[in-house]
Amino acid sequence: DVKVTQSSRYLVKRTGEKVFLECVQDMDHENMFWYRQDPGLGLRLIYFSYDVKMKEKGDIPEGYSVSREKKERFSLILESASTNQTSMYLCASSTFGKNQPQHFGDGTRLSIL
Amino acid sequence: ELKVEQNPLFLSMQEGKNYTIYCNYSTTSDRLYWYRQDPGKSLESLFVLLSNGAVKQEGRLMASLDTKARLSTLHITAAVHDLSATYFCAGKNFGNEKLTFGTGTRLTIIP
Repeated sequence: DVKVTQSSRYLVKRTGEKVFLECVQDMDHENMFWYRQDPGLGLRLIYFSYDVKMKEKGDIPEGYSVSREKKERFSLILESASTNQTSMYLCASSTFGKNQPQHFGDGTRLSIL
Repeated sequence: ELKVEQNPLFLSMQEGKNYTIYCNYSTTSDRLYWYRQDPGKSLESLFVLLSNGAVKQEGRLMASLDTKARLSTLHITAAVHDLSATYFCAGKNFGNEKLTFGTGTRLTIIP
């Protein structure tokens, strides 16, 4: 089974802090994704990556950056956290292939005070 | 840019009844996914639909895809309490691996 592990389930930070969310997958997947989930808005894609050191902006990249130094690890960075970034953050990974879904981690509930 | 609309947003139904969740998408998509999310949990993949007319079934859930109408449906047969969850559809953007999600349908099955 694919395992996508996010480093924290719950995180509380202060406005202006630099915040790192970590995600690791154990299936050698090429693709990794960061989403945020907010009530009534579904999941919105922040950034994704097809390969090491490669990144592409999703639909809502403002205020975020990412890092992929190793194939199995994809980090989301909030450069200067703001209260409107309080949300549930979900990491996912997938491999290329028509029958392959994205596999999700358990999520990190981030609160910015 | 692909847009995905899902309805209804909330659905409360009695055990034993049948119902359908609808997922409309705006432009060409070569893959349609259905996911389930239980409260406080992550998303679990249910179905991947690839082609027009595709139908997949797992237990009391059946998903179908009509690419001409740009519509996918998730049909629930003889609902049981265990099916209470939020269900999401997602379309794959043509030409890349991005998924665009619907807003989800929160399904509550009442005994």
